[in-house]
Order: sequence, then structure tokens, then C-alpha cells
Amino acid sequence: SQQGEEDPQALSIQEGENATMNCSYKTSINNLQWYRQNSGRGLVHLILIRSNEREKHSGRLRVTLDTSKKSSSLLITASRAADTASYFCATDNGGNNRLAFGKGNQVVVIP
Amino acid sequence: GAGVSQSPSNKVTEKGKDVELRCDPISGHTALYWYRQSLGQGLEFLIYFQGNSAPDKSGLPSDRFSAERTGGSVSTLTIQRTQQEDSAVYLCASKPRLEGEQYFGPGTRLTVT
Repeated sequence: SQQGEEDPQALSIQEGENATMNCSYKTSINNLQWYRQNSGRGLVHLILIRSNEREKHSGRLRVTLDTSKKSSSLLITASRAADTASYFCATDNGGNNRLAFGKGNQVVVIP
Repeated sequence: GAGVSQSPSNKVTEKGKDVELRCDPISGHTALYWYRQSLGQGLEFLIYFQGNSAPDKSGLPSDRFSAERTGGSVSTLTIQRTQQEDSAVYLCASKPRLEGEQYFGPGTRLTVT
């Protein structure tokens, strides 16, 4: 069942600005992952944060995890036109190793 | 190295016909997943294979859907007597170990007319 929910659903920003997306979930997790999807096809893994981690960085990406609030945020700094995509959070509860995906965030970066 | 590949990339079929979708995972990856994504929606889990264990079929929406994974590698998702609501992008992913990221293929866009 889907348990990730991203907020906001759609975001339009100017190149160079930061983009922030949030994700909430309902059950306990082993880790939370963020993926990017271009043009409605294959997903690309961006970053994984474990349940005992609070913040993680990868290049221009910063992910936070608050297990007490069952929420995560993805920040893209200094956005580029190439960052235009849909971004999904997915939770792994460690039980059956399947990921539960949210509905996604459409981000448009205007050059 | 080669990533996950899927074929065909696009498939148009008439309602009532059967279709087979193929997934070639990354060599050595023990776990393989199938997902379905309807237009503008998130990913819906369909089925999961892990090594030689019995697959987790709990996400298959009806008995018209089935999947096999031969020799622990290539997987085929079969949809019998297709319906228009089966139209979606079908995504395959593989994973090298129990925990961690999944590597996705480019998907098969299925259109049932």
C-alpha cells in the first residue's frame, strides 16, 4: 500500500532557487529513499536515509528525516533546468523489502 | 555496466488480447520487482522475487496478472485478457541486496485500445 505522501504536489521555481519537498508516512520504517523520474519513465535513485539518521547530503541534495513526525524533506539547492522532473519518496519498512511510493512531486525549474 | 532493460518500450494491444512484458535485471541482482504507474500517479507494487524464494504476489491486481522469473534472472510479466484499465507504464527494478536502492528499467508503456 502507498504510504508516502509528498507535499507540495507541484512546484515551479526559477533557476538558481532552492526547491523543497516534503514527504510523510504512516508506519515505522527501515529507511526512506528519494527517486527522480524524467518524462514518466525509469526512476533514478537519489539518496537513501536510514531510520537512525537525521540528515544526509549528496551534492546539491539535502535530505532530512524526522521519525517522531514520520516525515522527510528533500532540498535541492541552486536548482538547474535539468532538475525539472518528478520526485518520489519511498519507504522501506524492512519487512518484505518492497518500497511504498508516494504520488510524486512535479518540479519545474524555469531557466 | 548494463542497467536494467525492459522490452518492448511501447506496446499497443487490443482489449482482450494477452501481452508479455520482459525485464532483464542487472546481472547478480537477487531481488526483482514489478511496479505499475498509471498516468500522473505514484508507483503501485505488483510482485517481488528474491532469489529462489516464493515470490510475493500480494500486489497483483487480479488473476489476469502473473509473472515468472526464470533462472533467477530474466522476468516476464503476463497480462491475460487485457482491459483498458491495464493501460499504464510497467516498471521493473532490481536490487543487489536486501537493503538499499532499487535500480529501475526504462519501463514499458502499455496502451490497451
